Amino acid sequence: EAGVAQSPRYKIIEKRQSVAFWCNPISGHATLYWYQQILGQGPKLLIQFQNNGVVDDSQLPKDRFSAERLKGVDSTLKIQPAKLEDSAVYLCASSRLLLEREQYFGPGTRLTVT
Amino acid sequence: GNSVTQMEGPVTLSEEAFLTINCTYTATGYPSLFWYVQYPGEGLQLLLKATKADDKGSNKGFEATYRKETTSFHLEKGSVQVSDSAVYFCALMGYNQGGKLIFGQGTELSVKP
Repeated sequence: EAGVAQSPRYKIIEKRQSVAFWCNPISGHATLYWYQQILGQGPKLLIQFQNNGVVDDSQLPKDRFSAERLKGVDSTLKIQPAKLEDSAVYLCASSRLLLEREQYFGPGTRLTVT
Repeated sequence: GNSVTQMEGPVTLSEEAFLTINCTYTATGYPSLFWYVQYPGEGLQLLLKATKADDKGSNKGFEATYRKETTSFHLEKGSVQVSDSAVYFCALMGYNQGGKLIFGQGTELSVKP
């Protein structure tokens, strides 16, 4: 079974530019998560989808971050405009069901904002 | 709110040494507890989990016991190998929290030959 795919793996942008990250979860997984991992910290949940609906986006900075999962499969996370403090690894994870305890993580996208 | 605290790293051990990484948590109700591992350049992988008090999770020689009385979930391994060098994250999933994982800050382990 293929794992969670993410692209790009690395991205360097200047502040105030925009950027988008893509995630394709494991086939058949209904729940998709985006986490932000700042260097030296644990991952922090940004947004959680169940199929194409948002379950939790309470920690998503909605003035600059947006995410969608239009067909309930792959997902895009966008930052516009980026700030220096957005430099982090953005992790996508998926699970079969909403309350499934095991989440499968992708390799992440490392974003550097200069 | 729910939170997880891990011992700070980096932890440096010689091969075959005994490993303990401390993890304590704060949560209401009965959370599930996890250890994830992140090898260099890779994504997070679930190492082990425990879903109720006194459960022991184990995998690849690692163990952790869910201690509700001390709100702890310490990770242990009797004999570490160089290949165990990685960052280890303790995490919890709150009861009725819809799958949201809350992570500790991570502990880097470096094992020397």
